[in-house]
Amino acid sequence: RKEVEQDPGPFNVPEGATVAFNCTYSNSASQSFFWYRQDCRKEPKLLMSVYSSGNEDGRFTAQLNRASQYISLLIRDSKLSDSATYLCVVKAYAAYQLIWGAGTKLIIKP
Amino acid sequence: GAVVSQHPSRVICKSGTSVKIECRSLDFQATTMFWYRQFPKQSLMLMATSNEGSKATYEQGVEKDKFLINHASLTLSTLTVTSAHPEDSSFYICSASDGRHSTDTQYFGPGTRLTVL
Repeated sequence: RKEVEQDPGPFNVPEGATVAFNCTYSNSASQSFFWYRQDCRKEPKLLMSVYSSGNEDGRFTAQLNRASQYISLLIRDSKLSDSATYLCVVKAYAAYQLIWGAGTKLIIKP
Repeated sequence: GAVVSQHPSRVICKSGTSVKIECRSLDFQATTMFWYRQFPKQSLMLMATSNEGSKATYEQGVEKDKFLINHASLTLSTLTVTSAHPEDSSFYICSASDGRHSTDTQYFGPGTRLTVL
């Protein structure tokens, strides 16, 4: 079983719609959680950290469910520019290493 | 935010040659740098972690004699792919951290796309 699992997609979503995807992690010692965005042939860029209480940044909302060991990302009012691959990342306490999911590809269609 | 550069952004080389990739932190001192490799449609895989002035720590399955890492200064780390083969063709990305604490943010370089013919 992979340490971090994501549905690879692609998710084809019309512009303006709401889309959500989850990521599950296997290491219960994971303490830090992130969503990164990666455009084709580019480096990943931090989208948002995920906090225990959940957090929101504009149209983006991230949630953490420790009991079920998953994190989620919700995108509201999706834009064409949201098309990208979204990578789920976790890190264990006192560890340097980031553990990456393979990403979920999102395609926003006009 | 902090800026990390990589050079070259793209390289095509013949099988058997060596390729050096540079990773620089432009506006901060990077005490720790990470090298990742990403194959198409796959996740980033950590290859090694390097701290300035000491030997790199390689992940399991990564050949240290093939992927030479040097972190001689607080702003520069290099990855040399020795005797490159077509299976080494990949997207190589470095990241840098400005502290020695595990909670420090990692800043990513733009990546280097290596194609070995």
